[in-house]
Amino acid sequence: DTGVSQNPRHKITKRGQNVTFRCDPISEHNRLYWYRQTLGQGPEFLTYFQNEAQLEKSRLLSDRFSAERPKGSFSTLEIQRTEQGDSAMYLCASSSQGDEQYFGPGTRLTVT
Amino acid sequence: LAKTTQPISMDSYEGQEVNITCSHNNIATNDYITWYQQFPSQGPRFIIQGYKTKVTNEVASLFIPADRKSSTLSLPRVSLSDTAVYYCLVEDGGYNKLIFGAGTRLAVHP
Repeated sequence: DTGVSQNPRHKITKRGQNVTFRCDPISEHNRLYWYRQTLGQGPEFLTYFQNEAQLEKSRLLSDRFSAERPKGSFSTLEIQRTEQGDSAMYLCASSSQGDEQYFGPGTRLTVT
Repeated sequence: LAKTTQPISMDSYEGQEVNITCSHNNIATNDYITWYQQFPSQGPRFIIQGYKTKVTNEVASLFIPADRKSSTLSLPRVSLSDTAVYYCLVEDGGYNKLIFGAGTRLAVHP
């Protein structure tokens, strides 16, 4: 399977802990996106990379959130000092410039 | 905020044609209309994209009138496996960030 992969698929953590998610995009895609989705809502854009450069960040991405894409390949999204409101599905997508975005299966985060 | 308006939910039966209409009154000249499908616990999947008139692929058709203020996604002969949420988006074709609304929940019944 050469699609977008995300790990872990599920994460349960206690409030105040740090969590990190990983996204492996389709290998030839230079663009990578992170979205967050809560129950009953559509995905909300968080941030976007072109190669290793982070080109746009949503205001949803508070200072507790950080994303990286070293060497323009996989990406990580870290949430520090998690809060219950961070509970959501975190989706990663990748694309080639000018083409549609391909989404991964998501990481479901539950903060207790 | 999403730039589109679509029905919250629709019901259909197996074998019927389903048409989901989306309003985008403020669509810009360089905006394309794109539809995604999402099943529970999965990421959205691209279905179809168009700029004007009609676009057809192996799974759906997209009808766009001349004023481009609305569009209709047509799913021919739906099956139970087409039960999903369908999102209509308008974006500039550069495939930058996608702005999703709440989508239309389609339920296909036997």
